Amino acid sequence: EVQLVESGGGLIQPGGSLRLSCAASGFAVSTFYMNWVRQAPGKGLEWVSVIYTGGRTIYADSAKGRFTISRDNSKNTLYLQMNSLRAEDTAVYYCAGGGYGDRYFDYWGQGTLVTVSS
Amino acid sequence: QSALTQPASVSGSPGQSITISCAGTSSDVGYYNYVSWYQQHPGKAPKLMIYDVTNRPSGVSDRFSGSKSGSTASLTISGLRAEDEADYYCCSYTSSSTLVFGGGTQLTVL
Repeated sequence: EVQLVESGGGLIQPGGSLRLSCAASGFAVSTFYMNWVRQAPGKGLEWVSVIYTGGRTIYADSAKGRFTISRDNSKNTLYLQMNSLRAEDTAVYYCAGGGYGDRYFDYWGQGTLVTVSS
Repeated sequence: QSALTQPASVSGSPGQSITISCAGTSSDVGYYNYVSWYQQHPGKAPKLMIYDVTNRPSGVSDRFSGSKSGSTASLTISGLRAEDEADYYCCSYTSSSTLVFGGGTQLTVL
């Protein structure tokens, strides 16, 4: 059974950094296209970033230059390094992906809440 | 990349059919047949309902169907049930290899 479990969220001051993790089980994270999708409180879904099976990474404009998506195949874990955080980055962050995760998301984690506030 | 345009809310009575539209551009919805739809109940993670415009994942009711005409995609739910009450989001692959979501539609089953 495929399972995704996010962690690493919390309260962080503006300008700070945070690294989110997404531990995968039931499949090898290197074999799926894996994404981060976020949802601000009471708002809609926003795609953040994808890492392809071959390692290529793509970012939404809102994340470009500040966020870095990566994976550790030995730990079967996806990461999102977030720097220079702003209040508008406050959201639940979901990892999501699948065999065709460059265009749709079969599997989702439960999400981890990031709150950027002083 | 601007969000795709969905109606903020739709409603229907049990047993009826409803359709949710998702308007994009020639750079996203109109670019490839890579539109997906997600159902999200309050406090839960989204669930894939339709992928590649018309395909249903295993386990999703055949009451859910998708279509596309030009740069507008649609999700139709027939035989509405109380458990269909949720938020629905469309999502499209874009010509920049990014993904873009719609703003979401709140479905109320009257």
